[in-house]
Amino acid sequence: EAQVTQNPRYLITVTGKKLTVTCSQNMNHEYMSWYRQDPGLGLRQIYYSMNVEVTDKGDVPEGYKVSRKEKRNFPLILESPSPNQTSLYFCASTSSDFYNEQFFGPGTRLTVL
Amino acid sequence: DQQVKQNSPSLSVQEGRISILNCDYTNSMFDYFLWYKKYPAEGPTFLISISSIKDKNEDGRFTVFLNKSAKHLSLHIVPSQPGDSAVYFCAATGNQFYFGTGTSLTVIP
Repeated sequence: EAQVTQNPRYLITVTGKKLTVTCSQNMNHEYMSWYRQDPGLGLRQIYYSMNVEVTDKGDVPEGYKVSRKEKRNFPLILESPSPNQTSLYFCASTSSDFYNEQFFGPGTRLTVL
Repeated sequence: DQQVKQNSPSLSVQEGRISILNCDYTNSMFDYFLWYKKYPAEGPTFLISISSIKDKNEDGRFTVFLNKSAKHLSLHIVPSQPGDSAVYFCAATGNQFYFGTGTSLTVIP
């Protein structure tokens, strides 16, 4: 089954404690990205990657890091989380014909205390 | 500044009638426009897209219209069904994807 998986689905942590949210896709897609969804702000792109070892900043990259060492994986790293990073996070992937559908993961609900 | 805007946070429509969801954008360089549907506790799912060189794309009950001069696109759902009740996001893309804030559609049986 074609899918994007994210782990964990829910996470409560404290300010400053480094964390990683994993994302994996099984569709051999080149393009992967991370979004955060906040009330009244919609979905905002954090980082995207057009292929292995190629990453670019999206609209709201501050406080986040990513890496793309393998085609299927695109982890999101918060080195020193802060309460304003409390949000719902989605990973997505799409083929090189990326004007068409992105496949989204189920989301990760992060709370930073 | 928001490059893609959905000015109607919510919309209610009777079953069988037409639903029209609107979206405005600011950047004339966008290549493609897309609509996604989102249910609670799930990730968004792709619905329909349109290239910037076209003005209409149709897929079953869903039609997207693009008015480049007005920098406006709309999604028409005909006929609307209760299962269409969800949050709809429009998005625009070059290399990055820009999403609107969403419109919550309720289809009343």
